[in-house]
Amino acid sequence: SQQGEEDPQALSIQEGENATMNCSYKTSINNLQWYRQNSGRGLVHLILIRSNEREKHSGRLRVTLDTSKKSSSLLITASRAADTASYFCAQGSGYSTLTFGKGTMLLVSP
Amino acid sequence: EAGVVQSPRYKIIEKKQPVAFWCNPISGHNTLYWYLQNLGQGPELLIRYENEEAVDDSQLPKDRFSAERLKGVDSTLKIQPAELGDSAVYLCASSSEGNEQFFGPGTRLTVL
Repeated sequence: SQQGEEDPQALSIQEGENATMNCSYKTSINNLQWYRQNSGRGLVHLILIRSNEREKHSGRLRVTLDTSKKSSSLLITASRAADTASYFCAQGSGYSTLTFGKGTMLLVSP
Repeated sequence: EAGVVQSPRYKIIEKKQPVAFWCNPISGHNTLYWYLQNLGQGPELLIRYENEEAVDDSQLPKDRFSAERLKGVDSTLKIQPAELGDSAVYLCASSSEGNEQFFGPGTRLTVL
């Protein structure tokens, strides 16, 4: 069963704007990962943040983690049309185990 | 480096028929996963292999689903017989020593 919830379910923005997606989870984690899925394709790993980390950056991506609130956020800065995709958070609990949320559909209009 | 390979990409069958999906993970990845993804949902783990051993198959409906990874490399997931509710995308992923998972493009199954 899926344990995480992304918010919002869908997000529509203009190119150049920032996009923020949130993820809440219910159980303790070793790490929190974010994946992107383009329409009709497999998932692509974006970034991993460990439970003892609070913030991590990778290019235009910024991830935060608040274990006290069991929540994480993904910020995409200066969005591009190519960022249009579904974004999933996945809780890493134990060795190799990932539990995915339902995802946020992001639409970036030119 | 080749990614995770899955075949077929699409499969349409009638209910009660058998179907099989094949996955070849990234070379050297000892962990292989099969996920089920319904429309508008995130992937849900069906089974995880460490080399040739199925170490987590708690979510695999064993009455109709089976999987194997005989030589610890490629894997096959089978459904027999298929039901209408099995229509979904079946994703295969692999990883090395618990690191990030690399996903294949998936097999989209339609059961009529």
